[in-house]
Formats: sequence, structure tokens, C-alpha cells
Amino acid sequence: DGGITQSPKYLFRKEGQNVTLSCEQNLNHDAMYWYRQDPGQGLRLIYYSQIVNDFQKGDIAEGYSVSREKKESFPLTVTSAQKNPTAFYLCASRHDRGLPTEAFFGQGTRLTVV
Amino acid sequence: SQQGEEDPQALSIQEGENATMNCSYKTSINNLQWYRQNSGRGLVHLILIRSNEREKHSGRLRVTLDTSKKSSSLLITASRAADTASYFCATNGGGADGLTFGKGTHLIIQP
Repeated sequence: DGGITQSPKYLFRKEGQNVTLSCEQNLNHDAMYWYRQDPGQGLRLIYYSQIVNDFQKGDIAEGYSVSREKKESFPLTVTSAQKNPTAFYLCASRHDRGLPTEAFFGQGTRLTVV
Repeated sequence: SQQGEEDPQALSIQEGENATMNCSYKTSINNLQWYRQNSGRGLVHLILIRSNEREKHSGRLRVTLDTSKKSSSLLITASRAADTASYFCATNGGGADGLTFGKGTHLIIQP
């Protein structure tokens, strides 16, 4: 089945730790995105990547880092510099061929600081 | 900052009734999309309307777009209990720089 997979579904982080969230897609999409969602809120863009080995900051990039070494993979690292990391993280991908296209989302990772 | 604002924030109706949600946005767009999110899950794409379109249908969904008022509406006809979810509008300026989401409308369909 084609799709976008996030892991783990739940993640607990101690204060001061870095954690990495995984996002893999087999849809052959060029563009991939990371969003953060807080309770009762919409999604805010953290980082996005249009092509391998290139990525751009979104609206709330501070305290996060990403890499795009393979087309299929776009992992997000939540660093200790992120002061309020508890949230629901969503990864998405879509074609980037110059036409409007829909985004496909993973099922999310819920990160909790303990 | 978030581009869109959905209205109302929450909506509760009886099964079989129609549900209407509105979305307003601030800047020019290439297209506007509506997504659905069940509790604790990822978002699922419902419908995309381009800036040169005024209305679009998909099954029980009807979306309108008024670029002069920078607003869109999503109508779900003959609602079902399974339609209970949060609904988000998202705008795109035409590039691959991501969708900008509103805060969503939480829809509850009472059986």
C-alpha cells in the first residue's frame, strides 16, 4: 500500500533530551512537511523540503532540526532548545509539479515531556 | 501566523441535517483545501478548489470560494454520525511551501 508512515505513535522525552521522529513515504512525492498541532489548534508549519538535501524553515522552526538525505524520508529532531515540545506532530507529503495538489498525512506522533 | 479562521469553532447538529462551516483567509491564494481530522489521527484531504473556481462538489460535500471576500464555505449534506470530526481549511499560495491551516471547526453529529 502506498502511504506515509510516522513512528513512533507515542513518544516520551525527558527534559534536556533530543528525540527524533520518523517520517517515511512511498508515494514518490517530492515535497515533505512537518507540522505541529497543539490542543484545539490548527497546524503550524515547522520545516519543509522540496527536494533531497534541501529544506526550509517554516513558521516555528526554532528548537527543531530536519534532514532530507533520501526522497522517502524526512526525520524531525526535537532538540533540548525547544522549550515546550509537548504536542502532536504531523508529517505530510505531496507532489510538486507546478499544479495544485493535495497533501497526504501520516497518523501523527504524540510527544510528551516527562 | 495562521492564515485561515474557521467559523464556528464548534457545531453540533442532528443526524440528517446539513452542516455548514466557513473559512476566512487574509492573503491571495492559488487554491484552498478542506481537510478532516478524526480525534488523535492524521488529516484526510476532502476537496480542493482553485482560485478561479467558485463552487465544487464531491459526494455530499459542496465547497464555495469567494476570492473577493477571501472566504470559503464547506457544506456537508445529510450528515451522518460518522461525519463527527474536526474540519480544517488550508490555503496555498501556489508553491511547495506548505499549506497554511486555520484552527478548525469541531463538528458533532448527534444520532
